[in-house]
Amino acid sequence: GAVVSQHPSWVICKSGTSVKIECRSLDFQATTMFWYRQFPKQSLMLMATSNEGSKATYEQGVEKDKFLINHASLTLSTLTVTSAHPEDSSFYICSARSGGGEADTQYFGPGTRLTVL
Amino acid sequence: GQNIDQPTEMTATEGAIVQINCTYQTSGFNGLFWYQQHAGEAPTFLSYNVLDGLEEKGRFSSVLSRSKGYSYLLLKELQMKDSASYLCAVTDSNYQLIWGAGTKLIIKP
Repeated sequence: GAVVSQHPSWVICKSGTSVKIECRSLDFQATTMFWYRQFPKQSLMLMATSNEGSKATYEQGVEKDKFLINHASLTLSTLTVTSAHPEDSSFYICSARSGGGEADTQYFGPGTRLTVL
Repeated sequence: GQNIDQPTEMTATEGAIVQINCTYQTSGFNGLFWYQQHAGEAPTFLSYNVLDGLEEKGRFSSVLSRSKGYSYLLLKELQMKDSASYLCAVTDSNYQLIWGAGTKLIIKP
């Protein structure tokens, strides 16, 4: 149980284009999903918390107009990187909280490696 | 401020036992997680402690001492596939998950 999928697993795009990443909880409903970014040899950095049916909460320093998050259902959240630039190249990982409690375990998707040329 | 400390890197021998420590100073405490992350992959959940004591899952055990702000992950009968980064994370009073930088564990034959 508690499986989270992400699509695509990797993407290469040209500078200035937009990229959408999907995160799905496959066998449970997730009222809260999280989006992280991880640069090589660095720890996870939380970008935003996504709540179903409401606006995402962004961490300080993360541009909400650049990283659009939509949590349309209890099993799907999407992250759209708009007008991507080479500095946006990173490993993007989503996670979903398995239970309704705020202290419940987060389970991670496999990640999406974005390369912007 | 919030702070989680883990050793940056550790080396151990196949078949041996290794203990990875984590100390934390956070505003409140609502649980401590250990995750394993292989290079180029997303983290996978290993264990969760919210009360003092031991949690065991196969070759992996985690211990928590809330009074000391301390936890450790114990890996027994090490295998080459255990080479990975091990991340300690604490849920604070606002239920924010605070991440350590991770400990890179290198297993040698």
